[in-house]
Amino acid sequence: DVVMTQSPLSLPVTLGQPASISCRSSQSLVHSDGNTYLYWFQQRPGQSPRRLIYWVSNRDSGVPDRFSGSGSGTDFTLKISRVEAEDAGVYYCMQGTHLWTFGQGTKVEIK
Amino acid sequence: EVQLVESGGGLVQPGGALRLSCAASGFTFTSSWMTWVRQAPGKGLAWVANINQDGSVQYYVDSVKGRFTISRDNAKNSLFLQMNSLRVEDTAIYYCTKGRYFHVWGQGTTVTVSS
Repeated sequence: DVVMTQSPLSLPVTLGQPASISCRSSQSLVHSDGNTYLYWFQQRPGQSPRRLIYWVSNRDSGVPDRFSGSGSGTDFTLKISRVEAEDAGVYYCMQGTHLWTFGQGTKVEIK
Repeated sequence: EVQLVESGGGLVQPGGALRLSCAASGFTFTSSWMTWVRQAPGKGLAWVANINQDGSVQYYVDSVKGRFTISRDNAKNSLFLQMNSLRVEDTAIYYCTKGRYFHVWGQGTTVTVSS
C-alpha cells in the first residue's frame, strides 16, 4: 500500500504570510500512462472537503490563484502565497495512482 | 450545479447492516465514476470504494472487502453503499463523491456503530 506522509501536521500562520505543506509518497506516483495522480483537498471546520488541486499543479475551478501545487515522483508541495482567514482548516494530499490513499492532514491555523 | 445528497446513516449495533444512498444531480451521472469516502470522528479522510460508469468495475479498501458493496442505479442517478457486518471502527461520516478523483463532495451522512 502507498503511504502518504504530510508535514507539518500543524501549521500556525500569520495573515498575509506564505504557507507551505509537504507531502511524500512511499513510492512513485507516476502512472504507467505518464500522468501523476496527486491531489490536494481543503476541509474547513464543519464543512465537507473540497478539491483544490488535481494532477499535482492544476487548480480546480473557483480556487484562488494564491494556491499552487508542485512536485514530482514522490515529493509534492502545496503553497499558499498569502494566507487569508478563510484558508483555515485541514489540508489533505491524496494519491490516485495506486488505488487511493490520503495523507494524515495538515491543520492550518491563523495566528 | 452539481449536487450530491447522501442519506441512510444512523445508529446500528455491531454486526448490523445499513444501506447508504446518494442522489446525484447537475451532471451526467452515467458518464461518471462515483466514490465513497469516510471520515472517522476527529480523524482524516479514507477512501472506501468506487464504481465505474456502468457498474461493472468496483474497487474496495481491504478493511471493507466482503462486507460492503457499492452499486448504482443509472436510471435514478443514484449511488448506494450496502454495509453489512458493521464494526465499531466503521463509525464515520460517509461522503459520496463524483469521479475517480473526488471532484465534488456531498454533505455526508453519519454512521454510528455502537451497542
